[in-house]
Amino acid sequence: DVKVTQSSRYLVKRTGEKVFLECVQDMDHENMFWYRQDPGLGLRLIYFSYDVKMKEKGDIPEGYSVSREKKERFSLILESASTNQTSMYLCASRDTPGHKNTEAFFGQGTRLTVV
Amino acid sequence: QKEVEQDPGPLSVPEGAIVSLNCTYSNSAFQYFMWYRQYSRKGPELLMYTYSSGNKEDGRFTAQVDKSSKYISLFIRDSQPSDSATYLCASQFSGNTGKLIFGQGTTLQVKP
Repeated sequence: DVKVTQSSRYLVKRTGEKVFLECVQDMDHENMFWYRQDPGLGLRLIYFSYDVKMKEKGDIPEGYSVSREKKERFSLILESASTNQTSMYLCASRDTPGHKNTEAFFGQGTRLTVV
Repeated sequence: QKEVEQDPGPLSVPEGAIVSLNCTYSNSAFQYFMWYRQYSRKGPELLMYTYSSGNKEDGRFTAQVDKSSKYISLFIRDSQPSDSATYLCASQFSGNTGKLIFGQGTTLQVKP
């Protein structure tokens, strides 16, 4: 059974703290993604990585950074947490599509509250 | 303008109704179109996908893509309370990064 595991279901952090969200996949996928999900806005891509140590900015990268030192692990870092980063964060992984589509597998999400 | 637009609803229907969920997209380079279903407090899961234009049927679900009008649809026949969830449409370029662009998601409630 394929699995994407996010380290925490719920987190409460203080404004200004440095926050690490961890994601691990066991499917040997090249591509990994971080999205945030907010009511009425859907899933918005923060960053994605298509290989170890490779990353690309998504649509809303400001205030975030990422790290991918190993193929199975993709970390999202909030350098200095702010209240407008309160959200549901979803990690996903996916095999390289090539000429065929492949399914993206999501973790269960991390509900982050910044106070 | 978002690349994939979806009415967030909410949409409430009685059990047994036919449900129509719709998205529009702006980029004609999109080749793959997907529907994900997300239950409360869970991550999204792939429901259906289609490549380019056409219909695809899986049980009570039919996905439809009309590339000429840039319109994506999901039809649910004989809807059940267990279909109550948020439905997200997604599109992708034909390429190697696998980057998916999602719509806002439509929340569906099917009442018994």
